[in-house]
Amino acid sequence: LAKTTQPPSMEAYEGQEVNVSCSHTNIATSEYIYWYRQVPHQGPQFIIQGYKDYVVNEVASLFISADRKLSTLSLPWVSLRDAAVYYCIVTDKGNAGAKLTFGGGTRLTVRP
Amino acid sequence: DPKIIQKPKYLVAVTGSEKILICEQYLGHNAMYWYRQSAKKPLEFMFSYSYQKLMDNQTASSRFQPQSSKKNHLDLQITALKPDDSATYFCASSGTGGNYAEQFFGPGTRLTVL
Repeated sequence: LAKTTQPPSMEAYEGQEVNVSCSHTNIATSEYIYWYRQVPHQGPQFIIQGYKDYVVNEVASLFISADRKLSTLSLPWVSLRDAAVYYCIVTDKGNAGAKLTFGGGTRLTVRP
Repeated sequence: DPKIIQKPKYLVAVTGSEKILICEQYLGHNAMYWYRQSAKKPLEFMFSYSYQKLMDNQTASSRFQPQSSKKNHLDLQITALKPDDSATYFCASSGTGGNYAEQFFGPGTRLTVL
């Protein structure tokens, strides 16, 4: 299993773009990169996934380095509702019953 | 309408007792999971089921027993409760388009063992 490393915390002001990095130096060729976030008193919520290059959806974008050892989650125009713990996870996507291994994540604080 | 229902939302139990945490999903998924989150600790995978069959068990203690009576149900029975079992227990499900790692989580059951 690939191990991920993220900064433990970040701060931003409302309206700013936030980039959360994740290092996964031992990622296997079969593994994808997933990002989840968890706000207090709720379960984690899927944000975005990718394998290589660049992925974008209505919530965020994900840039993956050419060697796939680094990924960056980008949140445009953060609001107070984006304050959460953000988790980067690498895993096979097609394995029924696959477990997600959550690390410490990155706690994003958003200031008005 | 909530797609994953967990009951109860809060649960207080005494040491040594037994409780059952309920989870139902209405997403049509064939895989279901249990995770645990203790205070100030990362989310921890416990069990995974696919088509009502156990796929993975990362729980060392046999006091934790999943029960799948229906495809969209995965309850968690906990016996001989200990104060260390106090945590929020999250149920999750997945399986849309074979993307099992895109998991949908329920709101959790917060268990306190006195």
